[in-house]
Amino acid sequence: GENVEQHPSTLSVQEGDSAVIKCTYSDSASNYFPWYKQELGKRPQLIIDIRSNVGEKKDQRIAVTLNKTAKHFSLHITETQPEDSAVYFCAASSTGSQGNLIFGKGTKLSVKP
Amino acid sequence: DSGVTQTPKHLITATGQRVTLRCSPRSGDLSVYWYQQSLDQGLQFLIQYYNGEERAKGNILERFSAQQFPDLHSELNLSSLELGDSALYFCASSPWTSGDNEQFFGPGTRLTVL
Repeated sequence: GENVEQHPSTLSVQEGDSAVIKCTYSDSASNYFPWYKQELGKRPQLIIDIRSNVGEKKDQRIAVTLNKTAKHFSLHITETQPEDSAVYFCAASSTGSQGNLIFGKGTKLSVKP
Repeated sequence: DSGVTQTPKHLITATGQRVTLRCSPRSGDLSVYWYQQSLDQGLQFLIQYYNGEERAKGNILERFSAQQFPDLHSELNLSSLELGDSALYFCASSPWTSGDNEQFFGPGTRLTVL
């Protein structure tokens, strides 16, 4: 089955700097890669996603890149702000997997003012 | 607000007991997924239902079961509870037509087993 590895497990940056979180996946059939942000004690919220027919997607300060050949995808946050502090999860799924998401273990991002 | 509701918000019970967690998906979503999140852990997929039928199972214990009713709400039943079952339990819903697998999470139920 699918396995998703996520790095780093913790990331600390200064406000205004960029943050990059990387994930690798194992199943070449995976075709959907969402990123979720989870604040302490709250629900995971979808912040951006990318499908396998696209190499990059941007939404304001957030971007995701996908390298299908290498089976990895990354989340880029520019001009970080203290409110970006949270745990970020990457995930992967394929149409054949009934849409089930396999999550990475998460990255705890701390943005210091 | 994702449109997915879960009740109760908190549940405190004792070892050996049985509890039921309830989830109502977003309007129009046919698929419901259940996840377990233990302290400082990631999201472990438990089980999926689509339009009343079980579609996929993940790391779900035999002591746990679920169902989805004709009105599409779902219940997760946890029995013979152990201390290690203490966790946040999330459900998520999705339209899950072919290729559309965005999942929207409910606020979760925090289960504490004493």
